[in-house]
Amino acid sequence: GNSVTQMEGPVTLSEEAFLTINCTYTATGYPSLFWYVQYPGEGLQLLLKATKADDKGSNKGFEATYRKETTSFHLEKGSVQVSDSAVYFCALSTSTGFQKLVFGTGTRLLVSP
Amino acid sequence: DVKVTQSSRYLVKRTGEKVFLECVQDMDHENMFWYRQDPGLGLRLIYFSYDVKMKEKGDIPEGYSVSREKKERFSLILESASTNQTSMYLCASSPQGDGTEAFFGQGTRLTVV
Repeated sequence: GNSVTQMEGPVTLSEEAFLTINCTYTATGYPSLFWYVQYPGEGLQLLLKATKADDKGSNKGFEATYRKETTSFHLEKGSVQVSDSAVYFCALSTSTGFQKLVFGTGTRLLVSP
Repeated sequence: DVKVTQSSRYLVKRTGEKVFLECVQDMDHENMFWYRQDPGLGLRLIYFSYDVKMKEKGDIPEGYSVSREKKERFSLILESASTNQTSMYLCASSPQGDGTEAFFGQGTRLTVV
């Protein structure tokens, strides 16, 4: 079946540090891949997405590249800010199954000044 | 501004009560979803609906049912609440199509005592 594995947290960084959150997936067919972010007390919101191999999604300084050969979609940011502290979820959806999203367990990011 | 609205942010119910969680979206989306979010487990799909009066079981449907009488509204029903249903419940909607973004409500934190 379809599944997403992402690194456990929390990830603790100082402001302006480089961020990587690893995400790998297992899926039948050709999934679309997403990163969602959940700020404290809020629901999830889309951060970025990629719908085919070698696509790069980017938003707010975050990037992730769809790597079919390694079945990965790692999230990166060159310089994190305190305001980036949140929980990050990697997810996939496939063209079958009514576009259901399958989520990883989430990675909490804590950025200190 | 697109919106998914859940009727309650916090809810406390007694064991054995019948509980209704309501979700309304204003984007004319075909797909609607109910997830529960638990620490260390990420988001798990309870039920989803791809059209009015249509519903499909997700990964953890036991103890839950749903209703979708109108396109904009998707209700989650706990037939007889139990303490292991204490959780954060998230509603989402998305349009049909590959790689489409899901929009989430702010969540309902349900405590069953």
